[in-house]
Amino acid sequence: KAGVTQTPRYLIKTRGQQVTLSCSPISGHRSVSWYQQTPGQGLQFLFEYFSETQRNKGNFPGRFSGRQFSNSRSEMNVSTLELGDSALYLCASSPVPGQSYEQYFGPGTRLTVT
Amino acid sequence: LAKTTQPISMDSYEGQEVNITCSHNNIATNDYITWYQQFPSQGPRFIIQGYKTKVTNEVASLFIPADRKSSTLSLPRVSLSDTAVYYCLVGDGGSQGNLIFGKGTKLSVKP
Repeated sequence: KAGVTQTPRYLIKTRGQQVTLSCSPISGHRSVSWYQQTPGQGLQFLFEYFSETQRNKGNFPGRFSGRQFSNSRSEMNVSTLELGDSALYLCASSPVPGQSYEQYFGPGTRLTVT
Repeated sequence: LAKTTQPISMDSYEGQEVNITCSHNNIATNDYITWYQQFPSQGPRFIIQGYKTKVTNEVASLFIPADRKSSTLSLPRVSLSDTAVYYCLVGDGGSQGNLIFGKGTKLSVKP
């Protein structure tokens, strides 16, 4: 099976712009989660989607949003970019949500905000 | 809210057993405790998860005491390829369903 794919792999944006990142989960996986990874804060949970509905969310401002489509593919959007949004954004998929956190991660999208 | 604490780094030699402990309080009552491995320029990779007591798979063991306030990842007979950062992941038990990663333990295995 193909793994989790994320596009684009690298992105450079200017402060104030918005950005959309895409994630295709492993075939058959219906839950998609997003994480932000920075050297200072480490790995931080953004949100999880299942059946096109946000199921869980972390402590990020409303500038960070996401959605999931009927084919389980997911997008996350960051509006009004700030320099501090520069990070590696990771997508992870799992078969179904639940108390298990066994997830399969993609390679990430490296976002640089200038 | 849950908080996690892991050692920042650990050193070991090939063939030794390595134990990495994550302290976590106020975690979600019914959720698993999960551990991941991450190599540079890659996404984290699932290693093992457990709810209570001991779990073992082909690559690691996980020990969780009854109070679930900590968990210990045990890597038997490490090799150079086990040099990586190891993270624990827990649910914070709050209404939002937030997940908390530890800050990570950088394991360096020497020949």
